Amino acid sequence: RKEVEQDPGPFNVPEGATVAFNCTYSNSASQSFFWYRQDCRKEPKLLMSVYSSGNEDGRFTAQLNRASQYISLLIRDSKLSDSATYLCVVTPLYDSGGGADGLTFGKGTHLIIQP
Amino acid sequence: DVKVTQSSRYLVKRTGEKVFLECVQDMDHENMFWYRQDPGLGLRLIYFSYDVKMKEKGDIPEGYSVSREKKERFSLILESASTNQTSMYLCASSLSRGAGGLFHTDTQYFGPGTRLTVL
Repeated sequence: RKEVEQDPGPFNVPEGATVAFNCTYSNSASQSFFWYRQDCRKEPKLLMSVYSSGNEDGRFTAQLNRASQYISLLIRDSKLSDSATYLCVVTPLYDSGGGADGLTFGKGTHLIIQP
Repeated sequence: DVKVTQSSRYLVKRTGEKVFLECVQDMDHENMFWYRQDPGLGLRLIYFSYDVKMKEKGDIPEGYSVSREKKERFSLILESASTNQTSMYLCASSLSRGAGGLFHTDTQYFGPGTRLTVL
């Protein structure tokens, strides 16, 4: 069973602090990696893709460590509006016959930014 | 602007009823997905379709079927609804990226969800 593991939290963090959390995956054939954000009673929305070289978007930095099979998300200068659940997803390569095997979302990490 | 729509936001059905959940995307995406989301269990993939009339089982297909007759529309069918199918159902779509016969799923765009209650 291919798994994606996240610490469910909640992470209670004061406004302005830096927070980081990881997502580990077991399928070494995983090809694509993403972080999604989900607000309460809303659908997940893409936060950022995760590239091998790491990538940054404003206060958010995502990194991939293939050797240790984890991805990370770092949030700097956290805002109240960053409070949400953060989901990671890993997807494999598949052939033209299609396949959802290994397309897996983590259960999410709940982040609460406190004033 | 990308758009995935679902036929209902809230639905209440009785045990044994046949239930249809409809999803439409306007982005010409090859891939479409049905998930259910439950507290403590996260998002779980029910079915996946990578082309018209093509479907693949996800992690929890039992009690569900799907239909994809047109590229933009992916339907989830509960043949005989049961109380344990009370859940939030989310549809998503994505492009495929790849070459040489190997592909991977690109960013998934989600619909707003249908909260189904089976009494």
